[in-house]
Amino acid sequence: ETGVTQSPTHLIKTRGQQVTLRCSSQSGHNTVSWYQQALGQGPQFIFQYYREEENGRGNFPPRFSGLQFPNYSSELNVNALELDDSALYLCASSRPPPATDTQYFGPGTRLTVL
Amino acid sequence: GQQLNQSPQSMFIQEGEDVSMNCTSSSIFNTWLWYKQDPGEGPVLLIALYKAGELTSNGRLTAQFGITRKDSFLNISASIPSDVGIYFCAGQLYGSEKLVFGKGTKLTVNP
Repeated sequence: ETGVTQSPTHLIKTRGQQVTLRCSSQSGHNTVSWYQQALGQGPQFIFQYYREEENGRGNFPPRFSGLQFPNYSSELNVNALELDDSALYLCASSRPPPATDTQYFGPGTRLTVL
Repeated sequence: GQQLNQSPQSMFIQEGEDVSMNCTSSSIFNTWLWYKQDPGEGPVLLIALYKAGELTSNGRLTAQFGITRKDSFLNISASIPSDVGIYFCAGQLYGSEKLVFGKGTKLTVNP
């Protein structure tokens, strides 16, 4: 196990609702990245948080937002949910940028939007 | 979004056979990573490669970082049933915050 934890494990929401997903990073890691993995696809980078600020963002709309807390844990918030937001949401922790380093993933949160 | 070209898409092999899969990109990367993902789980890191030409082993797994920095391969020797899963390659550029993933190779091992 990596030591990266995520909650909840599964979540069902309806279109238009808002959702918050949570992640605790591995001990010694202060950088958290979020990825969206649609069925049958590889993970897609959403954004990364370092020092409680967003440090890079992928091609996702502003209704995807995040937070990082002083203990390095992080939240992913998605507003105005759409059916296409149904996916496995993964967080990964690593040491701070710009070090070339490996990212360790949590088990993910499976979000279903009806 | 950007993705790497990973092949083959799926493989069906007999237990004991060797497996080879590869990943190519139009962009260069400073780091290549190989992950394995079981159903409903997050990707688990298998091997990390940091230098062009590097060849690294982890038990029955061997991976190489291509000389051009645009490709990588993963070999699994003497496959066993627990090797079943989806294998992903990922590339990272130095100083970049993100990993770019392939679409995965689904491996099935018949006992």
